[in-house]
Amino acid sequence: DTGVSQDPRHKITKRGQNVTFRCDPISEHNRLYWYRQTLGQGPEFLTYFQNEAQLEKSRLLSDRFSAERPKGSFSTLEIQRTEQGDSAMYLCASSLLGRRDEQYFGPGTRLTVT
Amino acid sequence: AQSVAQPEDQVNVAEGNPLTVKCTYSVSGNPYLFWYVQYPNRGLQFLLKYITGDNLVKGSYGFEAEFNKSQTSFHLKKPSALVSDSALYFCAVRDRLTGGGNKLTFGTGTQLKVEL
Repeated sequence: DTGVSQDPRHKITKRGQNVTFRCDPISEHNRLYWYRQTLGQGPEFLTYFQNEAQLEKSRLLSDRFSAERPKGSFSTLEIQRTEQGDSAMYLCASSLLGRRDEQYFGPGTRLTVT
Repeated sequence: AQSVAQPEDQVNVAEGNPLTVKCTYSVSGNPYLFWYVQYPNRGLQFLLKYITGDNLVKGSYGFEAEFNKSQTSFHLKKPSALVSDSALYFCAVRDRLTGGGNKLTFGTGTQLKVEL
């Protein structure tokens, strides 16, 4: 399978706990994006990487959120001290370098904070 | 700032009939426009994109979309709907100007229901 993969697919955690999600992009894609999708809404941009550099962050990405892509391949998104409002689907996408290129999405990680 | 509006939460159509899912956009400069489809428990799948050139763009599964600059619209169309087309459809925009960054801005989605 050469698509974008995400792990885990589902995560249930208690408020205040930390969680970490992983995304493996399509292998030749050098851009990687994180989005968040809540029920009834379209995906909202969180951050993106070009290779290992984090080039843009949304104001949605509070101080409790951190994303890394240390070797320019897989990426992790960590949420510290989770809140119930963090419950959402977290989507990862990747694309080739180039503004014209479409983004390919993974299946998402569904986070439920109880 | 860039934004997308999908005015219909749901579109119902009979199988075999043509379908249209509406999308309007707002960007500072010229847009890159995209349609994605989301099936239950699956990730967003790319359908088609408008970058430049012909206003009528053809994509996957027989879908097409028409870019209309004067109306700032990018409606998704298919001549003959199938029950298997039933899914959630998202329109997305990216501003060509640097200020738009590389992020996609999505609409709220339109649920398409195709009935026998």
